[in-house]
Amino acid sequence: GAGVSQSPRYKVAKRGQDVALRCDPISGHVSLFWYQQALGQGPEFLTYFQNEAQLDKSGLPSDRFFAERPEGSVSTLKIQRTQQEDSAVYLCASSLEGGGRGSYEQYFGPGTRLTVT
Amino acid sequence: GDSVTQMEGPVTLSEEAFLTINCTYTATGYPSLFWYVQYPGEGLQLLLKATKADDKGSNKGFEATYRKETTSFHLEKGSVQVSDSAVYFCALYNFNKFYFGSGTKLNVKP
Repeated sequence: GAGVSQSPRYKVAKRGQDVALRCDPISGHVSLFWYQQALGQGPEFLTYFQNEAQLDKSGLPSDRFFAERPEGSVSTLKIQRTQQEDSAVYLCASSLEGGGRGSYEQYFGPGTRLTVT
Repeated sequence: GDSVTQMEGPVTLSEEAFLTINCTYTATGYPSLFWYVQYPGEGLQLLLKATKADDKGSNKGFEATYRKETTSFHLEKGSVQVSDSAVYFCALYNFNKFYFGSGTKLNVKP
């Protein structure tokens, strides 16, 4: 079956532009996570959904970042008024279970590399 | 807060050499511990995991033991291959969040 897919794979934005990054999780997966990975660093947690509910958004770095998963499947991470420090790879992961220890069997997508110029 | 520290790379080894990549963690409660691998041009893949103290995770010849007394989860492999060249991330999972180390790049030369 298909894995987690993300689009676009690469995005170049001028400073101040808004961007939208899409994640298609594995069908039937309850949990969905977004991570930000700066060059040479490990992924850092941004936000977590269980179905359509955003249960944790403590990792979003500012109010310019917004994520949604309206029907409990596809998710979109939106960044408004992009800044250079937003340049990173944005990773999406999904897991079959919802919450608790079941969430740790996460399957990662290939990521979207965002470059803000 | 919770965090993971792993040895900096790159690590360069000859084929069939012994590999150790050190990882230590700080966490409240009882986290689960993981090693993920990222091959060139690919996404993160789960390599192995351990969910409680003294558990040993193993996969593809790699092993790591969850040591609560030393808060460590070191990755080992007895004989590396060129195909093991990748970036390895140590991670912990606690309260619905993953915390990753900064990654260690492994280069294996034939």
